[in-house]
Amino acid sequence: AQTVTQSQPEMSVQEAETVTLSCTYDTSESDYYLFWYKQPPSRQMILVIRQEAYKQQNATENRFSVNFQKAAKSFSLKISDSQLGDAAMYFCAYRKNTGNQFYFGTGTSLTVIP
Amino acid sequence: DTGVSQDPRHKITKRGQNVTFRCDPISEHNRLYWYRQTLGQGPEFLTYFQNEAQLEKSRLLSDRFSAERPKGSFSTLEIQRTEQGDSAMYLCASSLDQGATEAFFGQGTRLTVV
Repeated sequence: AQTVTQSQPEMSVQEAETVTLSCTYDTSESDYYLFWYKQPPSRQMILVIRQEAYKQQNATENRFSVNFQKAAKSFSLKISDSQLGDAAMYFCAYRKNTGNQFYFGTGTSLTVIP
Repeated sequence: DTGVSQDPRHKITKRGQNVTFRCDPISEHNRLYWYRQTLGQGPEFLTYFQNEAQLEKSRLLSDRFSAERPKGSFSTLEIQRTEQGDSAMYLCASSLDQGATEAFFGQGTRLTVV
């Protein structure tokens, strides 16, 4: 069974600093996709970044980047130059290539301190 | 098209009553998902449609829950004989197809059973 683990229920970061959110997952699949979703207080989840497991290069989207370690089944999110608008719940998610559902972790609540 | 739309946003009902939620996906998306999210948890998969066909259901979806997607457009999720344990946020998401395509989420329907 696929599981996604986020071991940091809460994190905080000073504005303009860098923070890393951790995620590990368990799967026997070799072809899958990983995602980080952001859920602001309004509750609509928005995709932050995604990574295809077959790609060795880590994905980057502006201030957001990932450290994908396939062998270790680790998928961390780095937020650089943190902004107040980054404050939200962040969910790591997994989906196998041939699968229909996304598996989510329990989330990390990020606070940005002015 | 402004995204995935869910109605109502909030619903308070008495235990034992039936409730129905509606989801309008992004128009060209043929995949539609229902998830349930309780406080402090990540979204949990309930069911999945490809066009009008319900292809997968979670064991979380008891016989009191039923979902439909007539004509492959909007979807409804009905809960019969609601229980206090049904109180949660019900999220709908849609996507184009398999692969790296992310799911786009609606703002959810918050159900409170009193």
